[in-house]
Amino acid sequence: NAGVTQTPKFQVLKTGQSMTLQCAQDMNHEYMSWYRQDPGMGLRLIHYSVGAGITDQGEVPNGYNVSRSTTEDFPLRLLSAAPSQTSVYFCASSSLAGGQNEQFFGPGTRLTVL
Amino acid sequence: GNSVTQMEGPVTLSEEAFLTINCTYTATGYPSLFWYVQYPGEGLQLLLKATKADDKGSNKGFEATYRKETTSFHLEKGSVQVSDSAVYFCALSEGYAGGTSYGKLTFGQGTILTVHP
Repeated sequence: NAGVTQTPKFQVLKTGQSMTLQCAQDMNHEYMSWYRQDPGMGLRLIHYSVGAGITDQGEVPNGYNVSRSTTEDFPLRLLSAAPSQTSVYFCASSSLAGGQNEQFFGPGTRLTVL
Repeated sequence: GNSVTQMEGPVTLSEEAFLTINCTYTATGYPSLFWYVQYPGEGLQLLLKATKADDKGSNKGFEATYRKETTSFHLEKGSVQVSDSAVYFCALSEGYAGGTSYGKLTFGQGTILTVHP
């Protein structure tokens, strides 16, 4: 199993550009989520999904869109990048069966917006 | 809302020293508590967890006890190694009635640990 994969590893954008961060998991997990990691602030939840076709907002959703057309994939879209979105982005997944389950994290995407 | 507060870092120790990283939380309901570790250049990995009061989570020599009376989940290790150098995150996931959760995690700010030989 590859676990949770993310692409790209690094990305530099100019203000106003758009891009999609890819996330895929091969563990058949229902739950997937996106976090951003900023110095001194831990990880903050952007969006999450409990299954194909179902998404919801987290703590910091503004400026980001998501969709979940399959169980495996959960892309994060930046429609018009801003310098405030410079961060490291992590995708995570977990099973919803059986209660409090471990979340598995991808290796992250480091995004810089100039 | 939920919140997690970790002790200020960074923490620098010599090999074989005793480690404590404090973590306190605020939550409604019945949260589960976690410690995640992030090694340089990698994503987060679950280190240990506790799902109810007085539970002790343990893994790789690390321990943490869920203390509901003090709303704390302090991480401890009796003898650290250079390989323990990493960022440690305390987190909570609020349970719902029936013991299941969508798994949304609230993280502390992270504590950088550096262990010298």
